[in-house]
Amino acid sequence: DAGVIQSPRHEVTEMGQEVTLRCKPISGHNSLFWYRQTMMRGLELLIYFNNNVPIDDSGMPEDRFSAKMPNASFSTLKIQPSEPRDSAVYFCASSLGTGSQETQYFGPGTRLLVL
Amino acid sequence: AQSVTQLDSQVPVFEEAPVELRCNYSSSVSVYLFWYVQYPNQGLQLLLKYLSGSTLVKGINGFEAEFNKSQTSFHLRKPSVHISDTAEYFCAVSDQLPGSYGKLTFGQGTILTVHP
Repeated sequence: DAGVIQSPRHEVTEMGQEVTLRCKPISGHNSLFWYRQTMMRGLELLIYFNNNVPIDDSGMPEDRFSAKMPNASFSTLKIQPSEPRDSAVYFCASSLGTGSQETQYFGPGTRLLVL
Repeated sequence: AQSVTQLDSQVPVFEEAPVELRCNYSSSVSVYLFWYVQYPNQGLQLLLKYLSGSTLVKGINGFEAEFNKSQTSFHLRKPSVHISDTAEYFCAVSDQLPGSYGKLTFGQGTILTVHP
């Protein structure tokens, strides 16, 4: 399997622009997570999907952030409008099951820089 | 709610030396414990996890960790490190409550640098 695929790997944009990050989970996995990693805050869970349904979005920082999972093989995280403080590495992860004991498989991340 | 504290932000060691990366957690409920490794410019990869049973857990690349419930610790060890072990290591917990979906709470990470 190719693992979790994220695109783009790097994104540089200007403040106010819309940014869309994409994720393809491992085939057969039914849980998907979006994380953000920064030096100041470490790794934070933004949102969790199970069977394409958003279950917990309490980590989404504000209304400028939105996430969708239209089918089992694709998810997007959108920031509109983007701000410099959104600069971070965004990771997508997937897991086979829904339990807390499941291993999460992480993608390589998207490094976002908002100027 | 849980919290995870990794006691060392950076650990420099020489090749073939032993290493211990320390992790303490706080939780009002029982938890599962994980160690993930992040190589430069890559995503996180599971090293090992403790779910139940033997408190000594063996993982990939020769790493092992010991769960100590009384001290709420889950320290990671390797008896002899290699240059290729240079990476950032994250300790994480998830709670065991019914219906929990695997929300991971991560520590701040420990950067392990192995010198020749």
